[in-house]
Amino acid sequence: AQSVAQPEDQVNVAEGNPLTVKCTYSVSGNPYLFWYVQYPNRGLQFLLKYITGDNLVKGSYGFEAEFNKSQTSFHLKKPSALVSDSALYFCAVTLIYNQGGKLIFGQGTELSVKP
Amino acid sequence: AAGVIQSPRHLIKEKRETATLKCYPIPRHDTVYWYQQGPGQDPQFLISFYEKMQSDKGSIPDRFSAQQFSDYHSELNMSSLELGDSALYFCASSFVEGPSGANVLTFGAGSRLTVL
Repeated sequence: AQSVAQPEDQVNVAEGNPLTVKCTYSVSGNPYLFWYVQYPNRGLQFLLKYITGDNLVKGSYGFEAEFNKSQTSFHLKKPSALVSDSALYFCAVTLIYNQGGKLIFGQGTELSVKP
Repeated sequence: AAGVIQSPRHLIKEKRETATLKCYPIPRHDTVYWYQQGPGQDPQFLISFYEKMQSDKGSIPDRFSAQQFSDYHSELNMSSLELGDSALYFCASSFVEGPSGANVLTFGAGSRLTVL
Protein backbone atom coordinates (compact mmCIF):
# COMPACT_ATOMS: atom_id res chain seq x y z
CA ALA A 1 0.00 0.00 0.00
CA GLN A 2 1.14 3.51 -0.67
CA SER A 3 1.67 5.98 2.15
CA VAL A 4 3.09 9.39 2.84
CA ALA A 5 4.75 10.60 6.01
CA GLN A 6 5.36 14.14 7.14
CA PRO A 7 7.53 13.76 10.25
CA GLU A 8 7.02 17.26 11.57
CA ASP A 9 3.65 18.44 12.86
CA GLN A 10 4.91 22.00 12.93
CA VAL A 11 7.76 24.00 11.43
CA ASN A 12 8.65 27.44 12.72
CA VAL A 13 10.74 29.80 10.59
CA ALA A 14 11.69 33.46 10.78
CA GLU A 15 10.67 35.62 7.85
CA GLY A 16 13.41 35.80 5.25
CA ASN A 17 14.99 32.51 6.29
CA PRO A 18 14.87 29.41 4.11
CA LEU A 19 12.23 26.83 4.93
CA THR A 20 11.97 23.09 4.47
CA VAL A 21 8.92 20.93 5.00
CA LYS A 22 9.77 17.25 4.94
CA CYS A 23 7.95 14.42 3.20
CA THR A 24 8.81 10.78 2.69
CA TYR A 25 6.80 8.24 0.77
CA SER A 26 6.36 4.51 0.50
CA VAL A 27 4.99 3.05 -2.72
CA SER A 28 5.36 -0.16 -4.67
CA GLY A 29 5.84 1.53 -8.04
CA ASN A 30 6.81 4.85 -9.52
CA PRO A 31 5.32 7.64 -7.46
CA TYR A 32 3.68 10.79 -8.62
CA LEU A 33 4.15 13.34 -5.86
CA PHE A 34 2.35 16.53 -5.04
CA TRP A 35 2.35 19.37 -2.52
CA TYR A 36 -0.82 21.17 -1.55
CA VAL A 37 -1.32 24.09 0.83
CA GLN A 38 -4.40 24.71 2.95
CA TYR A 39 -5.24 28.08 4.46
CA PRO A 40 -7.79 28.27 7.32
CA ASN A 41 -11.33 27.45 6.20
CA ARG A 42 -10.17 27.04 2.62
CA GLY A 43 -9.78 24.16 0.21
CA LEU A 44 -6.44 22.65 -0.69
CA GLN A 45 -4.46 24.56 -3.28
CA PHE A 46 -2.02 22.84 -5.63
CA LEU A 47 1.60 23.98 -5.30
CA LEU A 48 3.67 21.64 -7.43
CA LYS A 49 4.08 18.09 -8.68
CA TYR A 50 6.76 15.60 -9.64
CA ILE A 51 5.99 13.22 -12.46
CA THR A 52 9.29 12.43 -14.14
CA GLY A 53 12.44 14.16 -15.33
CA ASP A 54 14.31 16.82 -13.39
CA ASN A 55 14.36 16.00 -9.70
CA LEU A 56 13.96 19.65 -8.76
CA VAL A 57 10.50 20.95 -9.52
CA LYS A 58 9.39 24.53 -9.18
CA GLY A 59 5.89 25.53 -8.23
CA SER A 60 3.69 28.39 -7.19
CA TYR A 61 4.66 31.25 -4.84
CA GLY A 62 8.40 30.54 -5.10
CA PHE A 63 8.17 27.03 -3.68
CA GLU A 64 10.21 24.14 -5.02
CA ALA A 65 10.63 20.51 -4.11
CA GLU A 66 13.35 17.96 -4.67
CA PHE A 67 12.57 14.37 -5.51
CA ASN A 68 15.11 11.95 -4.05
CA LYS A 69 14.45 8.38 -5.12
CA SER A 70 17.15 6.78 -2.97
CA GLN A 71 15.82 8.47 0.16
CA THR A 72 12.18 8.23 -0.97
CA SER A 73 11.73 11.87 -0.11
CA PHE A 74 10.07 14.89 -1.64
CA HIS A 75 10.88 17.83 0.63
CA LEU A 76 9.28 21.21 0.01
CA LYS A 77 11.58 24.21 0.10
CA LYS A 78 11.59 27.95 -0.28
CA PRO A 79 14.72 30.13 -0.17
CA SER A 80 13.11 33.01 1.73
CA ALA A 81 9.96 32.54 3.81
CA LEU A 82 7.15 35.08 4.00
CA VAL A 83 4.68 35.55 6.84
CA SER A 84 1.94 34.89 4.30
CA ASP A 85 3.37 31.38 3.75
CA SER A 86 2.00 30.40 7.16
CA ALA A 87 -0.47 27.61 6.46
CA LEU A 88 -0.97 23.85 6.56
CA TYR A 89 1.04 21.92 3.98
CA PHE A 90 0.19 18.46 2.70
CA CYS A 91 2.35 16.10 0.73
CA ALA A 92 0.47 13.58 -1.41
CA VAL A 93 1.19 10.62 -3.65
CA THR A 94 -0.61 8.71 -6.35
CA LEU A 95 0.45 5.72 -8.40
CA ILE A 96 -1.99 6.44 -11.17
CA TYR A 97 -1.64 9.59 -13.19
CA ASN A 98 -4.62 9.04 -15.37
CA GLN A 99 -8.30 9.11 -14.70
CA GLY A 100 -9.45 8.16 -11.26
CA GLY A 101 -6.09 8.21 -9.56
CA LYS A 102 -6.80 9.27 -6.01
CA LEU A 103 -4.30 11.14 -3.89
CA ILE A 104 -3.09 9.76 -0.57
CA PHE A 105 -2.16 12.58 1.78
CA GLY A 106 0.37 12.86 4.57
CA GLN A 107 -0.62 14.07 8.00
CA GLY A 108 0.12 17.69 7.21
CA THR A 109 2.69 20.12 8.55
CA GLU A 110 1.74 23.45 10.07
CA LEU A 111 4.18 26.10 8.86
CA SER A 112 4.47 29.21 10.98
CA VAL A 113 6.54 32.12 9.69
CA LYS A 114 7.21 34.85 12.23
CA PRO A 115 8.16 38.44 11.35
CA ALA B 1 -11.23 30.91 -13.86
CA ALA B 2 -14.05 28.64 -12.80
CA GLY B 3 -13.40 26.60 -9.70
CA VAL B 4 -14.96 23.61 -8.01
CA ILE B 5 -18.20 24.71 -6.37
CA GLN B 6 -19.51 23.00 -3.27
CA SER B 7 -22.78 23.54 -1.49
CA PRO B 8 -23.78 24.09 1.16
CA ARG B 9 -20.68 25.60 2.78
CA HIS B 10 -21.98 24.87 6.24
CA LEU B 11 -24.54 22.34 7.41
CA ILE B 12 -25.79 21.49 10.88
CA LYS B 13 -27.70 18.26 11.46
CA GLU B 14 -28.91 16.17 14.35
CA LYS B 15 -27.84 12.58 14.94
CA ARG B 16 -29.63 10.06 12.77
CA GLU B 17 -30.60 12.72 10.23
CA THR B 18 -29.66 12.72 6.55
CA ALA B 19 -27.46 15.20 4.70
CA THR B 20 -26.69 15.78 1.05
CA LEU B 21 -23.64 17.63 -0.22
CA LYS B 22 -23.32 18.84 -3.77
CA CYS B 23 -20.28 19.38 -5.95
CA TYR B 24 -20.00 21.11 -9.30
CA PRO B 25 -16.64 20.30 -10.94
CA ILE B 26 -14.66 22.55 -13.21
CA PRO B 27 -16.17 22.45 -16.72
CA ARG B 28 -14.65 19.68 -18.89
CA HIS B 29 -13.13 17.92 -15.89
CA ASP B 30 -13.99 14.24 -16.16
CA THR B 31 -13.22 12.97 -12.66
CA VAL B 32 -14.71 13.90 -9.30
CA TYR B 33 -13.37 12.92 -5.89
CA TRP B 34 -14.80 13.18 -2.39
CA TYR B 35 -12.59 13.56 0.68
CA GLN B 36 -13.38 13.81 4.38
CA GLN B 37 -11.17 15.87 6.67
CA GLY B 38 -11.75 15.55 10.40
CA PRO B 39 -10.46 18.16 12.86
CA GLY B 40 -6.68 18.20 12.76
CA GLN B 41 -6.62 15.32 10.29
CA ASP B 42 -5.40 14.85 6.77
CA PRO B 43 -8.01 14.48 4.01
CA GLN B 44 -9.24 10.90 3.71
CA PHE B 45 -10.34 9.64 0.32
CA LEU B 46 -13.97 8.51 0.19
CA ILE B 47 -14.92 7.84 -3.40
CA SER B 48 -14.30 8.96 -6.98
CA PHE B 49 -16.13 8.98 -10.28
CA TYR B 50 -14.75 9.01 -13.80
CA GLU B 51 -17.17 9.85 -16.58
CA LYS B 52 -20.10 9.26 -14.23
CA MET B 53 -18.97 5.78 -13.22
CA GLN B 54 -17.52 4.96 -9.82
CA SER B 55 -13.78 4.60 -10.36
CA ASP B 56 -12.42 4.03 -6.86
CA LYS B 57 -13.66 3.63 -3.33
CA GLY B 58 -11.90 4.42 -0.12
CA SER B 59 -12.94 4.54 3.50
CA ILE B 60 -16.54 5.49 2.83
CA PRO B 61 -19.07 4.20 5.39
CA ASP B 62 -21.96 2.09 4.15
CA ARG B 63 -24.27 4.86 5.39
CA PHE B 64 -22.82 7.13 2.72
CA SER B 65 -23.49 6.97 -0.98
CA ALA B 66 -22.52 9.13 -3.90
CA GLN B 67 -23.20 9.50 -7.57
CA GLN B 68 -22.24 11.63 -10.52
CA PHE B 69 -24.97 12.93 -12.76
CA SER B 70 -25.19 13.48 -16.51
CA ASP B 71 -24.11 17.13 -16.09
CA TYR B 72 -21.04 15.86 -14.16
CA HIS B 73 -22.10 17.32 -10.84
CA SER B 74 -21.85 14.93 -7.93
CA GLU B 75 -23.77 14.45 -4.70
CA LEU B 76 -22.67 12.80 -1.48
CA ASN B 77 -25.57 11.44 0.54
CA MET B 78 -25.03 10.69 4.22
CA SER B 79 -27.69 8.92 6.26
CA SER B 80 -28.05 7.99 9.94
CA LEU B 81 -25.58 10.70 10.80
CA GLU B 82 -23.27 10.16 13.75
CA LEU B 83 -21.30 12.64 15.83
CA GLY B 84 -18.11 11.33 14.25
CA ASP B 85 -19.31 12.39 10.80
CA SER B 86 -18.66 16.01 11.77
CA ALA B 87 -15.93 17.06 9.37
CA LEU B 88 -14.99 19.15 6.40
CA TYR B 89 -15.98 17.41 3.18
CA PHE B 90 -14.02 18.31 0.09
CA CYS B 91 -14.86 17.69 -3.48
CA ALA B 92 -12.13 17.81 -6.10
CA SER B 93 -12.12 17.45 -9.85
CA SER B 94 -9.45 16.71 -12.40
CA PHE B 95 -8.71 16.23 -16.07
CA VAL B 96 -5.80 14.30 -17.48
CA GLU B 97 -3.30 16.70 -19.03
CA GLY B 98 -1.97 14.23 -21.56
CA PRO B 99 0.23 11.12 -21.78
CA SER B 100 2.90 12.64 -19.56
CA GLY B 101 0.55 14.68 -17.49
CA ALA B 102 -0.44 14.22 -13.91
CA ASN B 103 -3.79 14.05 -12.31
CA VAL B 104 -3.78 17.46 -10.65
CA LEU B 105 -6.80 17.67 -8.40
CA THR B 106 -8.49 21.03 -7.95
CA PHE B 107 -10.33 21.22 -4.66
CA GLY B 108 -13.44 23.08 -3.69
CA ALA B 109 -13.64 25.18 -0.54
CA GLY B 110 -15.35 22.36 1.32
CA SER B 111 -18.63 21.78 3.11
CA ARG B 112 -18.43 21.82 6.88
CA LEU B 113 -20.84 19.34 8.42
CA THR B 114 -21.60 19.57 12.12
CA VAL B 115 -23.62 16.77 13.69
CA LEU B 116 -25.18 17.59 17.07
